[in-house]
Amino acid sequence: AQKVTQAQTEISVVEKEDVTLDCVYETRDTTYYLFWYKQPPSGELVFLIRRNSFDEQNEISGRYSWNFQKSTSSFNFTITASQVVDSAVYFCALSEADGGTSYGKLTFGQGTILTVHP
Amino acid sequence: DADVTQTPRNRITKTGKRIMLECSQTKGHDRMYWYRQDPGLGLRLIYYSFDVKDINKGEISDGYSVSRQAQAKFSLSLESAIPNQTALYFCATSDAFMARGGDEQFFGPGTRLTVL
Repeated sequence: AQKVTQAQTEISVVEKEDVTLDCVYETRDTTYYLFWYKQPPSGELVFLIRRNSFDEQNEISGRYSWNFQKSTSSFNFTITASQVVDSAVYFCALSEADGGTSYGKLTFGQGTILTVHP
Repeated sequence: DADVTQTPRNRITKTGKRIMLECSQTKGHDRMYWYRQDPGLGLRLIYYSFDVKDINKGEISDGYSVSRQAQAKFSLSLESAIPNQTALYFCATSDAFMARGGDEQFFGPGTRLTVL
């Protein structure tokens, strides 16, 4: 069975600090996808990134960057120069893709509450 | 207009009552999902449907049932609500266009359900 662990329940930083959110996953599949979603205080879920298991290149999008390491089964998310608007709950999720009827289902981590203080 | 809508947005009900949460989408996606969110537990899958004739149980289906009335509509029912079903419920859709398993899921705004 697949599992996603976000060990950091809550993180509090001051604006302009860099912050890294950790995500560790478990899966028996060789083909899978990893996701990050953001849930701001308004409650909706916002898709941030998707990465497949064959692409270990790091990704940067503005102040956001992601570090995918298969060797440690981790897919960590870094926010550089954090801002108050980054305050949200962040979820890491895993989707298996090795066939059968289970592919496409998301398994979420517990979420990390990020608070950025002015 | 939102692509994925959920009704109601908030609901308070009593133990033992039957309640239905509805989800509609205009994205034309075949796949639809129901999740519940509890503090500290993330989102957990209740049921999912890959097309109108295909419905599958998720991780926590006990106490819930679903109906896929059309490609665009997927309803979640609590036959006899109990307090530990108090949670935030999300509907989501995805398109099988992407490589299998890689579909981005698009979420509705959520329904906050309280069972007293």
